[in-house]
Amino acid sequence: DSGVTQTPKHLITATGQRVTLRCSPRSGDLSVYWYQQSLDQGLQFLIQYYNGEERAKGNILERFSAQQFPDLHSELNLSSLELGDSALYFCASSAPAQGISEKLFFGSGTQLSVL
Amino acid sequence: DQQVKQNSPSLSVQEGRISILNCDYTNSMFDYFLWYKKYPAEGPTFLISISSIKDKNEDGRFTVFLNKSAKHLSLHIVPSQPGDSAVYFCAASEFSSNTGKLIFGQGTTLQVKP
Repeated sequence: DSGVTQTPKHLITATGQRVTLRCSPRSGDLSVYWYQQSLDQGLQFLIQYYNGEERAKGNILERFSAQQFPDLHSELNLSSLELGDSALYFCASSAPAQGISEKLFFGSGTQLSVL
Repeated sequence: DQQVKQNSPSLSVQEGRISILNCDYTNSMFDYFLWYKKYPAEGPTFLISISSIKDKNEDGRFTVFLNKSAKHLSLHIVPSQPGDSAVYFCAASEFSSNTGKLIFGQGTTLQVKP
């Protein structure tokens, strides 16, 4: 158990809808990262938050947004969903100050299916 | 632009033999490299890492080699065990970016046959 909790584990929705994925980092971790894994693809970095503020942005679509709350949990919001958004979404967290870490700890992911 | 590449989608080896997984990168600013292992229905878990100031790091059956001039790293598993069957991801980071984000390759599925 990595200590990173993601909910829900599975999500089935229709095109055009909006969903929210939730992540609770390991206790004490200040950084939260979101990754997307599509079929036959590696883990694509979406966005990072550090202590409530956006720290780095990857190839995140404009229809997607995220935030990190004062209690350090994070939410990834996906709107106007398309079939191609079906993927496994991972959250990860890391510990040290300054947002620099040797390694990330991953949750078990949320499997999103857009029908 | 795929900065980290794992060109072999899959690898099959016999139990007891060596497994060699390869990874190439293009960004010369990367200075820290990691390998993650992923089982089905689980998140990736950290396996081993190496700093760019080293060319080898060993942890039990797992050894990672780094060739900076070739921008290439490899993971050796000796001896391979059936429990090693998983997807292996290579990842890289750039400390100077001040983020800690990791850039991952596409993964290699390793199957170790009994």
